[in-house]
Amino acid sequence: KAGVTQTPRYLIKTRGQQVTLSCSPISGHRSVSWYQQTPGQGLQFLFEYFSETQRNKGNFPGRFSGRQFSNSRSEMNVSTLELGDSALYLCASSKQGIQETQYFGPGTRLLVL
Amino acid sequence: QQQVKQSPQSLIVQKGGISIINCAYENTAFDYFPWYQQFPGKGPALLIAIRPDVSEKKEGRFTISFNKSAKQFSLHIMDSQPGDSATYFCAASKGNRDDKIIFGKGTRLHILP
Repeated sequence: KAGVTQTPRYLIKTRGQQVTLSCSPISGHRSVSWYQQTPGQGLQFLFEYFSETQRNKGNFPGRFSGRQFSNSRSEMNVSTLELGDSALYLCASSKQGIQETQYFGPGTRLLVL
Repeated sequence: QQQVKQSPQSLIVQKGGISIINCAYENTAFDYFPWYQQFPGKGPALLIAIRPDVSEKKEGRFTISFNKSAKQFSLHIMDSQPGDSATYFCAASKGNRDDKIIFGKGTRLHILP
């Protein structure tokens, strides 16, 4: 069974731009969660999608948004990029939600200049 | 109230020794406590998880000890091996409609050969 895939793996943007990251979950998984990982703040939960609906949201500004498609693939968008948005963005998938085994992708490393 | 405090930040253990990582939480509504292992360049992977109705859970060389009254839980790695060298994250979440997950800051474990 193929694992969680994320594209692109690396991205360089400048302040003020926007970016869209993509996540393809494991086949049959309906829950996709997104996380931001930085050396200073560690792993932080962004949001979770289940059956195309955002079910839960972390404490991030509205510049961070996402969506999920009918095939469970998910995208995350960050608008008006700031230097502090430089991070590793991870997505994870599971069958039903956060409180079961989540399988993480390798992440997208975003650098904002 | 949403924090999960993890210690130590880094840990060096001799091969064959016991590695112990501790976490403390504040919110008594948390009801799911997973531990994740992350190798450089990879996404985290679920190691083991526990719910508050049990005080201990063991899977192979990995054991979670849970103290509900003290609001603490810990990961014990028995017979630590160089291949266990990684960063370990504890986490806590509360279920139902508020299914967010909060991570500890991580512990960088190094097992000396």
